[in-house]
Amino acid sequence: ETGVTQSPTHLIKTRGQQVTLRCSSQSGHNTVSWYQQALGQGPQFIFQYYREEENGRGNFPPRFSGLQFPNYSSELNVNALELDDSALYLCASSRTQNTEAFFGQGTRLTVV
Amino acid sequence: AQKVTQAQTEISVVEKEDVTLDCVYETRDTTYYLFWYKQPPSGELVFLIRRNSFDEQNEISGRYSWNFQKSTSSFNFTITASQVVDSAVYFCARSMEYGNKLVFGAGTILRVKS
Repeated sequence: ETGVTQSPTHLIKTRGQQVTLRCSSQSGHNTVSWYQQALGQGPQFIFQYYREEENGRGNFPPRFSGLQFPNYSSELNVNALELDDSALYLCASSRTQNTEAFFGQGTRLTVV
Repeated sequence: AQKVTQAQTEISVVEKEDVTLDCVYETRDTTYYLFWYKQPPSGELVFLIRRNSFDEQNEISGRYSWNFQKSTSSFNFTITASQVVDSAVYFCARSMEYGNKLVFGAGTILRVKS
């Protein structure tokens, strides 16, 4: 059984650009959540997808958007990148909305 | 905001010492889950435990133990006989309502020296 995998591992973008981060959920998991972890802080919930529908959103602006595909993999898109978007972006998958979540290794995004 | 507070920013211990990581949470929910995760330098969050708000029994798993006290809104984590491999950042989290959308604390950096 493969775990949660994220790509790319590292990414450098320029302010104002757009970025897409990808997450493959663990086999048998239909729920994916995304978190942003700034340096030295705890992860902050961005949003969750359950069976291709958004199922809750944290305090993030609309330029943070996502998708979940029929195979339950997911994308996080961020438009109009700002310097403060520099962070580790973590994806977590779970069997359902109520079971424990397992995290990927994250994508380190640097905005310059 | 209903916060999760980990008052200890950083703890340093010598190998074989016991260490307790504190966690205090706020919530208006009557049912919720509490979690602990470990984050090694590689960045991945490693799941350690999930505790239901209805279950206040302490839990032990090998060298790890957890003490949940609903009356004080605390969910503390103890590592017995610490090892160098325990060095990591540890996060306490609670669920938003009765699911797995999580509110994390700021984390505690644990350094175990040989």
